[in-house]
Amino acid sequence: DSGVTQTPKHLITATGQRVTLRCSPRSGDLSVYWYQQSLDQGLQFLIQYYNGEERAKGNILERFSAQQFPDLHSELNLSSLELGDSALYFCASSVAVFGTDTQYFGPGTRLTVL
Amino acid sequence: AQRVTQPEKLLSVFKGAPVELKCNYSYSGSPELFWYVQYSRQRLQLLLRHISRESIKGFTADLNKGETSFHLKKPFAQEEDSAMYYCGLRGSTLGRLYFGRGTQLTVWP
Repeated sequence: DSGVTQTPKHLITATGQRVTLRCSPRSGDLSVYWYQQSLDQGLQFLIQYYNGEERAKGNILERFSAQQFPDLHSELNLSSLELGDSALYFCASSVAVFGTDTQYFGPGTRLTVL
Repeated sequence: AQRVTQPEKLLSVFKGAPVELKCNYSYSGSPELFWYVQYSRQRLQLLLRHISRESIKGFTADLNKGETSFHLKKPFAQEEDSAMYYCGLRGSTLGRLYFGRGTQLTVWP
């Protein structure tokens, strides 16, 4: 499968803990986007990386951070987790940093904070 | 500020009936509009984008700049169209997408 992949598929943890979500973009894509999908907030943009550099920030909490590595995979780190952080976290990738190219989404990581 | 509004959270139609999912947007420049579809527990898939003006799975959407709308239409709904539909907007300089809250479409047999 040459599409966007995300691991793990499901994650269950406790409040106060820290987790790392991983995303591998499509082959050839340099941009990675992270989105959070929750019942009350809908689908919200968190952060974008392009070729290892942060390019845009959205509604990302200070407890959250991300990075993109030289092999272009990206990790989203969520710390001091709260119940309200329970959500589906999607990663998307595209070829360019902006423009008219399409964003392709991964299957998501479902985070449950107990 | 940019905003995407999908006024209907839930929409139900019978198989064979026409369906229209509404999307209104607010953006000061020239946005690019998209429709993404999410079938049960699956990833978001691009359904169509206004610049390509193509029809996917029988769905069409026309950008109406005067009414700032990008409604999704299909003349004859099918049961397999049941899914969550998200309208998205991308500004002229950034890659990030702004999404509406989504409309859950159910097509009854």
